[in-house]
Amino acid sequence: DGGITQSPKYLFRKEGQNVTLSCEQNLNHDAMYWYRQDPGQGLRLIYYSQIVNDFQKGDIAEGYSVSREKKESFPLTVTSAQKNPTAFYLCASSPGGANIQYFGAGTRLSVL
Amino acid sequence: AQSVSQHNHHVILSEAASLELGCNYSYGGTVNLFWYVQYPGQHLQLLLKYFSGDPLVKGIKGFEAEFIKSKFSFNLRKPSVQWSDTAEYFCAVNAKAAGNKLTFGGGTRVLVKP
Repeated sequence: DGGITQSPKYLFRKEGQNVTLSCEQNLNHDAMYWYRQDPGQGLRLIYYSQIVNDFQKGDIAEGYSVSREKKESFPLTVTSAQKNPTAFYLCASSPGGANIQYFGAGTRLSVL
Repeated sequence: AQSVSQHNHHVILSEAASLELGCNYSYGGTVNLFWYVQYPGQHLQLLLKYFSGDPLVKGIKGFEAEFIKSKFSFNLRKPSVQWSDTAEYFCAVNAKAAGNKLTFGGGTRVLVKP
């Protein structure tokens, strides 16, 4: 069954802690994306990757880091430098270019 | 700055009423336009898209949208809504001028009362 899998569904972070959100896709898509969703603000792009071993900052990259060591995986780390991490995080993938993006079910991150 | 604006944050209407959600963008040049929908507890999914050709595009579940280039708009419409259309709707724009990144509007929460 093809798709994008995000885990965990819910995540709690303590002060000063780094946490990593997982995103895996089996659609053989080249491009992958991370968005943050806050009420009334839509989705804002954190990082994106057009190809393995390469990624670019989006509009709100500060306090986040990513890696793209495999085509199917694009994990996002929320570092302690991100002072307001509570949000819904969505991962997406696309064949690349201006194509349609397909989304995972999301991870809801809260701060303890 | 380049942006996408959705005019209504919340819309409440009764079943069988008509729905129109506004979307304006500020990009110049070539754009691809999308409407995504997020039903309660479900994935964000594509409702419809415009890449080129006929500016009136039809999507799933009876939705349609019209691209008016002169107005930088891509409004979403449905003639008669159902309770199951309760969801959050997002307009998104992919512009070559912005490096082909997808920029989303703030979303509109639609509540359809039975």
